[in-house]
Amino acid sequence: GQNIDQPTEMTATEGAIVQINCTYQTSGFNGLFWYQQHAGEAPTFLSYNVLDGLEEKGRFSSFLSRSKGYSYLLLKELQMKDSASYLCAVREGLTGGGNKLTFGTGTQLKVEL
Amino acid sequence: KAGVTQTPRYLIKTRGQQVTLSCSPISGHRSVSWYQQTPGQGLQFLFEYFSETQRNKGNFPGRFSGRQFSNSRSEMNVSTLELGDSALYLCASSLDSYEQYFGPGTRLTVT
Repeated sequence: GQNIDQPTEMTATEGAIVQINCTYQTSGFNGLFWYQQHAGEAPTFLSYNVLDGLEEKGRFSSFLSRSKGYSYLLLKELQMKDSASYLCAVREGLTGGGNKLTFGTGTQLKVEL
Repeated sequence: KAGVTQTPRYLIKTRGQQVTLSCSPISGHRSVSWYQQTPGQGLQFLFEYFSETQRNKGNFPGRFSGRQFSNSRSEMNVSTLELGDSALYLCASSLDSYEQYFGPGTRLTVT
């Protein structure tokens, strides 16, 4: 099975940088995803890591260390619209392939002036 | 390109009834996954369908079932509804085993 931990809540200031951590314990691993979910809306894809290292996409970066079971999402130049829940999800390595994601309970980020 | 659509958006049912939810994936996507989202448990994987076959399954009771049609549209059925089945049900479609695109969800309330 999978066990994913991430902080419940974080608060940061507009224009600042925030790092949201995610640790996982898995019986199989085939990639880690980060999703953003605004209240009352569907999750939207932010990033995907399957190899160790940093993936950068605009103001968002995601890091993965498979040996440590650890990932983080880095958000730069925070904007008020970044206030949302950030979900870490691990895809199992399945012999039949496909998508079976296990999600963390999400980190509620509040951006303040 | 149109996104993932789900119908209905809101539904109120009584305990013991059954319900069917529908999901139309993005055109060309053959994988459809279903998730249940509740405040206490977060997002939990129900099952995934690919080319009309259930490819993966989560840890939900047999009251939860699904199917996929030849046009990749998928339905999810919950029989003998319980109060604890009240949740947001999300489906997600994927072209391959990479990025999943989520629909807006169906909010199910069981009274």
